[in-house]
Amino acid sequence: GQQLNQSPQSMFIQEGEDVSMNCTSSSIFNTWLWYKQDPGEGPVLLIALYKAGELTSNGRLTAQFGITRKDSFLNISASIPSDVGIYFCAGPGGYTGTASKLTFGTGTRLQVTL
Amino acid sequence: ETGVTQSPTHLIKTRGQQVTLRCSSQSGHNTVSWYQQALGQGPQFIFQYYREEENGRGNFPPRFSGLQFPNYSSELNVNALELDDSALYLCASSLASVLYGYTFGSGTRLTVV
Repeated sequence: GQQLNQSPQSMFIQEGEDVSMNCTSSSIFNTWLWYKQDPGEGPVLLIALYKAGELTSNGRLTAQFGITRKDSFLNISASIPSDVGIYFCAGPGGYTGTASKLTFGTGTRLQVTL
Repeated sequence: ETGVTQSPTHLIKTRGQQVTLRCSSQSGHNTVSWYQQALGQGPQFIFQYYREEENGRGNFPPRFSGLQFPNYSSELNVNALELDDSALYLCASSLASVLYGYTFGSGTRLTVV
């Protein structure tokens, strides 16, 4: 089945630093989604990418759809304490029946120190 | 506009018991998906309901079943609970015409002892 591997698994950074994380797939994706999950909450969509090479920003967040269509990258500039959480990449998990499902990555846990 | 509401937020069950988890979808959404998130893992797709019928299922055994009601709310039922069923169960609602436009609830934390 499809697998999404994220790196790094976790990172500790200081407030104000820039953050980079990536996600690689064993197969080609035509959509990449980036989610953030806070403790005790469900994932919240940050950025959606639909085209190879696409670069999309959402405030301090920038994500890119890799040209091989097997990877994606998320950057956070000038991190702040509320950036703490787990970041997941996700992509279409194919169709089972007529359902559209998401396949999630393994997650990158971000901790920000003051 | 209300978001996705799940109940209960936490519960503890004994191995072999049955459990029902509930989800109220976001206003205007007609599709509900359920995901299981084990500790330290990403969510895994269980199944999806549209127009009160299951229209797709992930790699979960038949003891995981669900319902969707005319108001688009949904239930997830798990029979013969096993210790490995301990996880955060997430409900996500969407509009069928908006691909991957999911809104997730905060989840139900199930602990099986």
